[in-house]
Order: sequence, then structure tokens, then C-alpha cells
Amino acid sequence: ILNVEQSPQSLHVQEGDSTNFTCSFPSSNFYALHWYRWETAKSPEALFVMTLNGDEKKKGRISATLNTKEGYSYLYIKGSQPEDSATYLCASRNYGGSQGNLIFGKGTKLSVKP
Amino acid sequence: DAGVTQSPTHLIKTRGQQVTLRCSPKSGHDTVSWYQQALGQGPQFIFQYYEEEERQRGNFPDRFSGHQFPNYSSELNVNALLLGDSALYLCASSSYKLSSYNSPLHFGNGTRLTVT
Repeated sequence: ILNVEQSPQSLHVQEGDSTNFTCSFPSSNFYALHWYRWETAKSPEALFVMTLNGDEKKKGRISATLNTKEGYSYLYIKGSQPEDSATYLCASRNYGGSQGNLIFGKGTKLSVKP
Repeated sequence: DAGVTQSPTHLIKTRGQQVTLRCSPKSGHDTVSWYQQALGQGPQFIFQYYEEEERQRGNFPDRFSGHQFPNYSSELNVNALLLGDSALYLCASSSYKLSSYNSPLHFGNGTRLTVT
């Protein structure tokens, strides 16, 4: 069984704080790592899909890094805003897994207080 | 450009009953995947449909079955419902023909199923 682990489970920060959280995944058979942002009562929205070791991606104030050799990815949010409050999910796709077959972590729930 | 739509949004069923959930993929997408998210868990892959056939399946019993129609929409059927089937069911779509190795999934808002 392949597990994707995310930490912390939840995070409370003040507006303006920078924050980061971790996704660990089995490095064997790795193909791609997905990050999704999921606001309450909405659908999960893709942030990044990363495949190469050492890759870094950025979208506004949010960035992510990937280490496929040791099996972890970090998501960083610079200067958190209340609208960043959401659950952040990471998911791993393995070789042999189809495009739609992702293994998700339980998510990190971020709350940003104004 | 319509995104992924799921119906119904909420559903309450009794143990032993059968349920059908529906999903229309994003315009231009031809592949549909279904996920179950139980309380406190991450989404778990149930199965994926492409060209009206089940292509991959997760660790779910045969009570869970599906179908894909020629217009790419899909149904998830669950027979002999158990209390443990209570969960949020998410549908995700993608394009097999147009996707690359780093294409994300596009999700619907989900159907909340409660089994009493």
C-alpha cells in the first residue's frame, strides 16, 4: 500500500504570515505530484503538477518544490491572506497508474485570520 | 466553458438500497474518474472510465460499478448500501487525447451521500 502523508493536519496563521506545509510520498515508482486547493463548498482546484526532481513552481504568492529522491514536496504561501483559507491536498501519481488514478493525502487545512 | 458538473448535490439513502450518482465532464474532456472521500480521509480512487470502458480500478468492492455514455458523461452506481458508504463522492475529468504527463484533473463539487 502506497501512502501519501501531509503535515500538519491543520494550521492557523495571521494575515501576512508566511507558511509552508509538507507532503511526503513513496519515491519508488513516482511519476507526478499534484497539489490542489479546496475551498469549502467548492471543487478542488489544481495548483501545480510537478514531475522533475528539484522542480520549483510558482503561482502568485504560492510556490512548491519537489524532491523525488527522498519523496517530499513543500508548498509555501508568502504573506497569507484570508482568501488563502482552504484545504490543500497533495496527490501522487505512480508509474502504471492512469492519469486519473491519484493517491491523495488527507490534506492540510489552512485558516488565515484577518 | 462548463466545468465538471455532478448531480445530485446531496442524497440520503437507507442501508441495503441502491444509488446512482451522475457526472458530466468538462467540455472537451473524454475521461472520467470517481473518488470517495470519507470523513477525515483524503479522496480515494474508485475507478476511471475512458471510451465507455472501465480502465483502472481502486480497492473497492464489486458493489461499486459505473458506466460511461457516448457523450462522455458517467454514472457511479453503488448497490447494497452500507453505513460506511456515507461519504463525499467526487468526479474528476481529463482528456486522454490532449493531456500530457503533467495535466491536472478537473473536479466537480461532489455528491454528499448519507446512508442511514
